[in-house]
Amino acid sequence: GAVVSQHPSWVICKSGTSVKIECRSLDFQATTMFWYRQFPKQSLMLMATSNEGSKATYEQGVEKDKFLINHASLTLSTLTVTSAHPEDSSFYICSAKASGTERKFFGPGTRLTVL
Amino acid sequence: KQEVTQIPAALSVPEGENLVLNCSFTDSAIYNLQWFRQDPGKGLTSLLLIQSSQREQTSGRLNASLDKSSGRSTLYIAASQPGDSATYLCAVTSGGSYIPTFGRGTSLIVHP
Repeated sequence: GAVVSQHPSWVICKSGTSVKIECRSLDFQATTMFWYRQFPKQSLMLMATSNEGSKATYEQGVEKDKFLINHASLTLSTLTVTSAHPEDSSFYICSAKASGTERKFFGPGTRLTVL
Repeated sequence: KQEVTQIPAALSVPEGENLVLNCSFTDSAIYNLQWFRQDPGKGLTSLLLIQSSQREQTSGRLNASLDKSSGRSTLYIAASQPGDSATYLCAVTSGGSYIPTFGRGTSLIVHP
């Protein structure tokens, strides 16, 4: 099956710094990528949807200036958490979809801890 | 807006039992329904995908059924093993948006 990778798998940073998370589709071209956030014992909540070459569409309540998403190529999307705060500590998971299919493949997730 | 509910929230059973995990959704106009497994601190592993036109899917000891009219899906796990311990998530993709809505999951512990 298709493989989606995320880097880093975990990161610890100081409050006020920015963190970039990469999501790559390794063996297919992902026309659409989705970013989710998961708090402990909660379900995945969609943050934003990004299509290659266009601006991301953010879900209600998600600050686009805080969570910057760049989908610059068909195999890479990045999520940058700017000026991170402890409440941004969470598990971030990306999902990728190829054109012509509705099946989505999920990355292994990135654990962000903001001190 | 689609809402997905999973019952029970947690389940602890002895090894060897047959299990049923439930998923219900409010909008029956779905595109597909997918069951995932999530191990602690890990991403998602897709288990079974059921298209809206299908009634069930099977993979090994797993069987998932779909009843769109009643807004329900069940994941059946036969002869459970300790390695089945994980959180099981149900995700429903509604027609039009193609974006899945997740339930909160069922946390399963299978003890030896």
